[in-house]
Amino acid sequence: AQRVTQPEKLLSVFKGAPVELKCNYSYSGSPELFWYVQYSRQRLQLLLRHISRESIKGFTADLNKGETSFHLKKPFAQEEDSAMYYCALGTNAGKSTFGDGTTLTVKP
Amino acid sequence: ETGVTQTPRHLVMGMTNKKSLKCEQHLGHNAMYWYKQSAKKPLELMFVYNFKEQTENNSVPSRFSPECPNSSHLFLHLHTLQPEDSALYLCASSLFGQGKNGYTFGSGTRLTVV
Repeated sequence: AQRVTQPEKLLSVFKGAPVELKCNYSYSGSPELFWYVQYSRQRLQLLLRHISRESIKGFTADLNKGETSFHLKKPFAQEEDSAMYYCALGTNAGKSTFGDGTTLTVKP
Repeated sequence: ETGVTQTPRHLVMGMTNKKSLKCEQHLGHNAMYWYKQSAKKPLELMFVYNFKEQTENNSVPSRFSPECPNSSHLFLHLHTLQPEDSALYLCASSLFGQGKNGYTFGSGTRLTVV
């Protein structure tokens, strides 16, 4: 069975501080990992995917198969980063499994 | 509007009413999904459709009835709902069998059951 765990329901940092949102997964096959973001009153949208190795809005995430983790990081948080973040595990069977989400608050 | 479109945006219904939520995508995706988002359970998968065929029903009560007439349209028919069914209902689409592409979500329908 596939599972995604986001251990922090709430995370609060000050503007300019580094931020790391944790995500751990369990899956016996070859996983595809994603981060989604939901800003206030906006739709849930894909932020980044591990296969692309991209940096979006200053965020990066590295897949660590040994630790089965896909933590989301940003060196300098901005107030506009305040949002709900979901980690998700996708498979070629089509269904994605989402974590419970982490609400990030960046304080001025 | 491009992407995934959901209507209505807001819906208030009584427990004896019958209503339907609509989702539409023109992204060429062949899989569509219904999710429930509430404070209690942040993102809860309800139904999965692949090429119009239902491939998953995540133990959803029968008062929720999905319909997928084609790969572009998805409905969620509601009847005799309970107040605890009040939530944001999200539709998503993807290319089935290509998990690396991720989902595209609609804006959701905010449902209130009174």
